[in-house]
Amino acid sequence: TQLLEQSPQFLSIQEGENLTVYCNSSSVFSSLQWYRQEPGEGPVLLVTVVTGGEVKKLKRLTFQFGDARKDSSLHITAAQPGDTGLYLCALLSGNTGKLIFGQGTTLQVKP
Amino acid sequence: DTEVTQTPKHLVMGMTNKKSLKCEQHMGHRAMYWYKQKAKKPPELMFVYSYEKLSINESVPSRFSPECPNSSLLNLHLHALQPEDSALYLCASRLQGGTEAFFGQGTRLTVV
Repeated sequence: TQLLEQSPQFLSIQEGENLTVYCNSSSVFSSLQWYRQEPGEGPVLLVTVVTGGEVKKLKRLTFQFGDARKDSSLHITAAQPGDTGLYLCALLSGNTGKLIFGQGTTLQVKP
Repeated sequence: DTEVTQTPKHLVMGMTNKKSLKCEQHMGHRAMYWYKQKAKKPPELMFVYSYEKLSINESVPSRFSPECPNSSLLNLHLHALQPEDSALYLCASRLQGGTEAFFGQGTRLTVV
């Protein structure tokens, strides 16, 4: 079973700071997804990365997929309190249809 | 319509009760999922349905019984639950052949 290691697990920063969350595996991903979840809500898909070396931007969020497709990162520039939430990376096992999550990063942005 | 709708949003049940959680989507997705999530933890996969047939059961106790009566509906029947089963239960759906899953808002279950 392919496992995802996500770090850090917890992050508390001040508004305006930058941060990076990492997602790694020992195996190659065919694609990887990033989700954000607010308390009491379901995860919401932010982005899917597919191609090695790919960079995608979503406003202040930048997503990278490693060249070898074994790692990905999420960088947030000038974090705001509205960015507070649980950030999850996930991959889909094509053979089984399983959608597996990393351990998650709980982000708190203080005003 | 890109929504996955879960009902109820909150549920409190006793250990001897029988209740059901419901999930509905009208996106034509033929893969549907049940997840259990504890606070500040990632969702844990429970069941996967593919074309209305159970394809994965992640060794879930029999007090949880899933059902997929048609391509739009997914139920989770609950019976004789324990307090440690209290959690957020999430339903998700995915287009077969696609990679992106859409989640409902979840049902917050409390077992007393």
